[in-house]
Amino acid sequence: AQSVSQHNHHVILSEAASLELGCNYSYGGTVNLFWYVQYPGQHLQLLLKYFSGDPLVKGIKGFEAEFIKSKFSFNLRKPSVQWSDTAEYFCAVNLYKLSFGAGTTVTVRA
Amino acid sequence: DAGITQSPRHKVTETGTPVTLRCHQTENHRYMYWYRQDPGHGLRLIHYSYGVKDTDKGEVSDGYSVSRSKTEDFLLTLESATSSQTSVYFCAIAQAGETAEAFFGQGTRLTVV
Repeated sequence: AQSVSQHNHHVILSEAASLELGCNYSYGGTVNLFWYVQYPGQHLQLLLKYFSGDPLVKGIKGFEAEFIKSKFSFNLRKPSVQWSDTAEYFCAVNLYKLSFGAGTTVTVRA
Repeated sequence: DAGITQSPRHKVTETGTPVTLRCHQTENHRYMYWYRQDPGHGLRLIHYSYGVKDTDKGEVSDGYSVSRSKTEDFLLTLESATSSQTSVYFCAIAQAGETAEAFFGQGTRLTVV
């Protein structure tokens, strides 16, 4: 069975700081990987996705993620966060059904 | 935003009563999903559908059933609601299976008292 683990439950940082959120998945074959964001009081929205090709994927709002097959990881990064990046971030893997990690709450202090 | 409507948006119900949540889409997407979101657990898949009358269980399906008689509607039923089913429920749709982006509804906040 596929599973997704996110390392950090809650991250607090100041504006302009760099952000990196860890995500590991358990399936050893070909996987399709996603990062979603949920702003306070809203539904989930797609940040970026990886299916194949260049392992460095760029998404919306300055986010990027790197797929490292040997480490079963798909970490999310942003070089300089803004207050508006305060949200919950979910890593997801889709083999034949879309499964999510527990999420990481990111709080950006102005 | 994708055309997904969840109803009701909020509901309070008593323990032991049946409850049905509805997800309606206007996108003609093949796949539909029901998730519940709870603090510390992220989103957990309850059931999903890959076509009309084609459904399968997710990781937390006990106490829930689903039906999909039309492409556009995916119903989630709590047979006999319990307090542990108090949660926020999200419906999602996807055009294809594994590689397509999933679009989410606004969620239904269900409280079982």
